[in-house]
Amino acid sequence: QLQLQESGPGLVKPSETLSLTCTVSGGSISSSSYYWGWIRQPPGKGLEWIGSIYYSGSTYYNPSLKSRVTISVDTSKNQFSLKLSSVTAADTAVYYCARHEGDFWTAFDIWGQGTMVTVSS
Amino acid sequence: AIWMTQSPSLLSASTGDRVTISCRMSQGISSYLAWYQQKPGKAPELLIYAASTLQSGVPSRFSGSGSGTDFTLTISCLQSEDFATYYCQQYYSFPFTFGPGTKVDIK
Repeated sequence: QLQLQESGPGLVKPSETLSLTCTVSGGSISSSSYYWGWIRQPPGKGLEWIGSIYYSGSTYYNPSLKSRVTISVDTSKNQFSLKLSSVTAADTAVYYCARHEGDFWTAFDIWGQGTMVTVSS
Repeated sequence: AIWMTQSPSLLSASTGDRVTISCRMSQGISSYLAWYQQKPGKAPELLIYAASTLQSGVPSRFSGSGSGTDFTLTISCLQSEDFATYYCQQYYSFPFTFGPGTKVDIK
């Protein structure tokens, strides 16, 4: 059974870079046709797609965050990662990693439990 | 970007009720729509994709319909475990966007 688990610091200082990793277990991140994504949810608010990556390294980013976001993949560790630079309090949110149920133009069928990241000095 | 509205934003219902949630798009998206259920403190769970296809393991009391700009999620007989917030999401156009959510609570 495929599972995703986010990890990373729960507290990041303003202007610094938020770094999170999603570890995939129970299956290979290199499986053909699946994209892998990051979604976030500020406290008490709705969901925002951040970006997605294919095991080959092909990426799509939300234009609203593109200048600050980097998503990468490490197939040897079965992980993909998110970096968000120059963070502010507005980046405080629960960050989820998730699998697209097929290619990029598909819904998210498997989600990690989420990790809360607070931006504060 | 495509934006969407969901209505109602809050729905008070009783166990056994039939409930309907609407999602309307700012432009047509064919059937590239998903519905998710989220309970407090938990990750969203996929209920329906391609507007009307039930995700494996999801009870048949959930159903989706619509295409183009207007979509509906129906719960035919509300169960206690269905009290949650529901989100629609379009994956037709980049960037992907989610609706603002509909909270279903106990009447």
